[in-house]
Amino acid sequence: EPEVTQTPSHQVTQMGQEVILRCVPISNHLYFYWYRQILGQKVEFLVSFYNNEISEKSEIFDDQFSVERPDGSNFTLKIRSTKLEDSAMYFCASRSEGGSNQPQHFGDGTRLSIL
Amino acid sequence: GQNIDQPTEMTATEGAIVQINCTYQTSGFNGLFWYQQHAGEAPTFLSYNVLDGLEEKGRFSSFLSRSKGYSYLLLKELQMKDSASYLCAVRKSGGYNKLIFGAGTRLAVHP
Repeated sequence: EPEVTQTPSHQVTQMGQEVILRCVPISNHLYFYWYRQILGQKVEFLVSFYNNEISEKSEIFDDQFSVERPDGSNFTLKIRSTKLEDSAMYFCASRSEGGSNQPQHFGDGTRLSIL
Repeated sequence: GQNIDQPTEMTATEGAIVQINCTYQTSGFNGLFWYQQHAGEAPTFLSYNVLDGLEEKGRFSSFLSRSKGYSYLLLKELQMKDSASYLCAVRKSGGYNKLIFGAGTRLAVHP
């Protein structure tokens, strides 16, 4: 069964450094999402992306965050200058276009630890 | 605004049936999803409701009442591997179908 893949599985970064989280969505999917989950808390929406542009973003997704689909397969989340509170599990998700009842499929996540 | 409430923890016995409730208040509702999440892993899709009623998928069923802002996930013939968190997520109308998650219900299945 096709799946969303994320790399790396764990990223440790010094505060203030830039970090790029990578995702390869399911190949025929057209809608892409990033969510995050701080340890012990709920999954929170960050951003959705469709047709090569951001379609919606949350209050969390401030100017330090950006997303890109640099080629036909990768979907990246960049945090420009990381803060301690950015430490969380980051999940990429994708969805097909076959009707709005299609579920979002999640990758295994990248655990980001900011020191 | 939006608010999604689920019990924090539940316990059940192997082979039994358990019902996990979810209530929501949201400005714009376009469906409700249930996901299973094992510790440290990704949420995996279980079921979807957009119309009132019961949807059955094997050992899992989900019910929705839009007028009451209420859903439940029913798990039958519980197995040890069903020990996980169960996430209720509301899809907002408009936009591109972002999901708003509840805090999740941690289910522990005992022998």
